Amino acid sequence: QVQLQESGPGLVKPSETLSLTCTVPGGSISSYYWSWIRQPPGKGLEWIGYISFSESTSYNPSLKSRVTISLDTSKNQFSLKLNSVTAADTAVYYCARDQFIYETNGGGDAFDIWGQGTMVTVSS
Amino acid sequence: SSELTQDPAVSVALGQTVRITCQGDSLRAYFASWYQQKPEQAPVLVIYGKNNRPSGIPDRFSGSSSRNTASLIITGAQAEDEADYYCSSRDNSDNHLRVFGTGTKVTV
Repeated sequence: QVQLQESGPGLVKPSETLSLTCTVPGGSISSYYWSWIRQPPGKGLEWIGYISFSESTSYNPSLKSRVTISLDTSKNQFSLKLNSVTAADTAVYYCARDQFIYETNGGGDAFDIWGQGTMVTVSS
Repeated sequence: SSELTQDPAVSVALGQTVRITCQGDSLRAYFASWYQQKPEQAPVLVIYGKNNRPSGIPDRFSGSSSRNTASLIITGAQAEDEADYYCSSRDNSDNHLRVFGTGTKVTV
């Protein structure tokens, strides 16, 4: 079972850039789509964006102006950068594998593997 | 962009059946996936596609879909099923986007 691992600073100052990395063991990073998802304390899940194995990206329109997701296949990692952060960006950040799973009775999209999450606090 | 609406909370007696619903226009075109999240843990995929369970998910979890509503059904709820549940699908206006439901707290 593939296990994802997020890493990065747990504290970021307002107006600075939040940077996180997700490591994908086993070399499968070149075969799937990879998403970032966040969850503010006590609130629901919010999709941030994804990067594909071909490095195409898609971002949540509400964050698009501040987000960049990139891929480093040599390190089996993908990364998130969120700039100009405010306290509203304080959240647990998850990385997840994003794929369409084919089934004879009707497949579908799924975030089938997740990291354990990393808490990022925006505060001076 | 699309929205997926869930009831904030439902309760179920031990061993009984509970249906958790997710409503949104995108569900007319795309199946929902469902995630279970226990406190201080990452979400776990429980249902995807028409009605598919990943390996290790008990068969008391099932899914269904009709028009703009997707449902997650827990048949014979157990104490360990107490958790938050989220649906997700592609966005109806741009299928490159993803959206999550508002979440349902299930109390057993």
